[in-house]
Amino acid sequence: ETGVTQTPRHLVMGMTNKKSLKCEQHLGHNAMYWYKQSAKKPLELMFVYSLEERVENNSVPSRFSPECPNSSHLFLHLHTLQPEDSALYLCASSLSGVVHLDEQYFGPGTRLTVT
Amino acid sequence: GESVGLHLPTLSVQEGDNSIINCAYSNSASDYFIWYKQESGKGPQFIIDIRSNMDKRQGQRVTVLLNKTVKHLSLQIAATQPGDSAVYFCAENMDTGNQFYFGTGTSLTVIP
Repeated sequence: ETGVTQTPRHLVMGMTNKKSLKCEQHLGHNAMYWYKQSAKKPLELMFVYSLEERVENNSVPSRFSPECPNSSHLFLHLHTLQPEDSALYLCASSLSGVVHLDEQYFGPGTRLTVT
Repeated sequence: GESVGLHLPTLSVQEGDNSIINCAYSNSASDYFIWYKQESGKGPQFIIDIRSNMDKRQGQRVTVLLNKTVKHLSLQIAATQPGDSAVYFCAENMDTGNQFYFGTGTSLTVIP
């Protein structure tokens, strides 16, 4: 176990649904990340939070809405998704938000299928 | 833009043999690199990193080599074991940037 947990592990949702992904880290880290991993594509950074403040937003569509209520929890709210949004969504955390200084610890991911 | 790629999408090796996984990067300004291992059903796991002021770094059974001249990175796994079967991918970062750019990955299969 890496100390980063994600729920649910699997999610199937229709295009009109609203759902949320949850991530929790038990490592005392100050930065948290959302990544998207699609089949045969590189891992894509979506959002970065450092000390609960969003510091990076990689041109992600507004149908993805992150929330970081405290340094241990990170949510990804989903609404009106498209089938091409089906992917593995990975959460990670690191001690600081400076990526070239700290190792990132990844959760197991949520496998999302949009029907 | 940055581009990180792998020469081979799949690699099969006999148990006990050494494995070499390659990665090419296009941005000469990248100065920090990480190799990750991702097993089925799990998130990526850090294996080893290297900074651009080094050519080689060794860990437990793993060695990373960096050739800045040709912008090439490799991961060597000694005495490959069945537990090494996974997807391996590299990631690069520039000191001025706050994110990594990841490769698509090489799937390593260890044949008992």
